[in-house]
Amino acid sequence: EDQVTQSPEALRLQEGESSSLNCSYTVSGLRGLFWYRQDPGKGPEFLFTLYSAGEEKEKERLKATLTKKESFLHITAPKPEDSATYLCAVRGPGNTPLVFGKGTRLSVIA
Amino acid sequence: NAGVMQNPRHLVRRRGQEARLRCSPMKGHSHVYWYRQLPEEGLKFMVYLQKENIIDESGMPKERFSAEFPKEGPSILRIQQVVRGDSAAYFCASSPVQGATNEKLFFGSGTQLSVL
Repeated sequence: EDQVTQSPEALRLQEGESSSLNCSYTVSGLRGLFWYRQDPGKGPEFLFTLYSAGEEKEKERLKATLTKKESFLHITAPKPEDSATYLCAVRGPGNTPLVFGKGTRLSVIA
Repeated sequence: NAGVMQNPRHLVRRRGQEARLRCSPMKGHSHVYWYRQLPEEGLKFMVYLQKENIIDESGMPKERFSAEFPKEGPSILRIQQVVRGDSAAYFCASSPVQGATNEKLFFGSGTQLSVL
């Protein structure tokens, strides 16, 4: 069974204090690892897809990396508007649906 | 360029009533997924549908829950005889093509179901 574990559950940062969120996964035949951002009362918003170990993607202050067992979402010099829950999901082979982790709730304090 | 539309945004039902949640996918998308989210829990897959077909319902309870995606109109998630444990946020997502390596899901804003 595909599994996704995210850590920490919650993270509180000062504005400008860089950090990383972790996503550990177990899946047979990874077809893609996805990062989403979710704001309170809203649906998840797509950020990145990673397909193979060593791959990296960047968007503004966010950078996602992938190894064979985990993915990291690095946040450089975060701002208060980066406060949200960040969700990691994996897709296995065939028609299997996306399996999500519980998310990391990020708070960035000015 | 409307995104995935879900309605209602909030739905209050008493125990034993029926709940109907609607989802209109993005234009050009023919694949619809329903997920349920409980507080402090991740998104849990329920069902995957294409037009007029249920592809995977492995995450949907066998009793009281049903889903459809007719040829015309929105996808419907139906919960009969609701109980308090059904209270959750229900999210719909759509995608244009299943099986493409770059397939990602586009989510709606969800329906918050509260059972009194």
